[in-house]
Amino acid sequence: AQSVTQLDSQVPVFEEAPVELRCNYSSSVSVYLFWYVQYPNQGLQLLLKYLSGSTLVKSINGFEAEFNKSQTSFHLRKPSVHISDTAEYFCAVSDKSGGGADGLTFGKGTHLIIQP
Amino acid sequence: DAGITQSPRHKVTETGTPVTLRCHQTENHRYMYWYRQDPGHGLRLIHYSYGVKDTDKGEVSDGYSVSRSKTEDFLLTLESATSSQTSVYFCAISDPGGKSTGELFFGEGSRLTVL
Repeated sequence: AQSVTQLDSQVPVFEEAPVELRCNYSSSVSVYLFWYVQYPNQGLQLLLKYLSGSTLVKSINGFEAEFNKSQTSFHLRKPSVHISDTAEYFCAVSDKSGGGADGLTFGKGTHLIIQP
Repeated sequence: DAGITQSPRHKVTETGTPVTLRCHQTENHRYMYWYRQDPGHGLRLIHYSYGVKDTDKGEVSDGYSVSRSKTEDFLLTLESATSSQTSVYFCAISDPGGKSTGELFFGEGSRLTVL
């Protein structure tokens, strides 16, 4: 079984400042890693994912995350945030050996609040 | 966007009444999931289905049942709703064909209030 820890339930940051949302996972097997974003009153949308290969993965809207196997982390970063980035962000894992069939395990989420 | 429709989107009901939420997909994906989202808990898996008539329990299945008689429909039933089941319910789908990663596609959610 896996577990995901998002250390910060809420992160306030000023517009155009950098931000890091932290995610650590625990698993006895190899995993796939995901970040999802949820805008108010909407469903979850995939932001980016790590499957294999380069440990640094990027999204089309400027976010990036780096897989660190030794620290079992998958932190999300953005060098300069915009007001439209205000949302809830969820880190999630799936078990590679199971092919992801039994769903994703999610962290509790981090609410990113952008202050003008 | 993945073709996932949840209904109803909003429902208010009373304790003890039965409630059924429906998830309909047009993607022909084999796997379907029901999650609930609560403040401070993130998303927790209730039940999932890996094919017609094939379902399994998730982390928080007590008080819920599911049925899948067609590939495109996955129903979540609360036999006797309780206030602790007030939540936002999300349906998700995935397609394990080929090299599956577990990536999920989500519906817009159904907000259930049990008074």
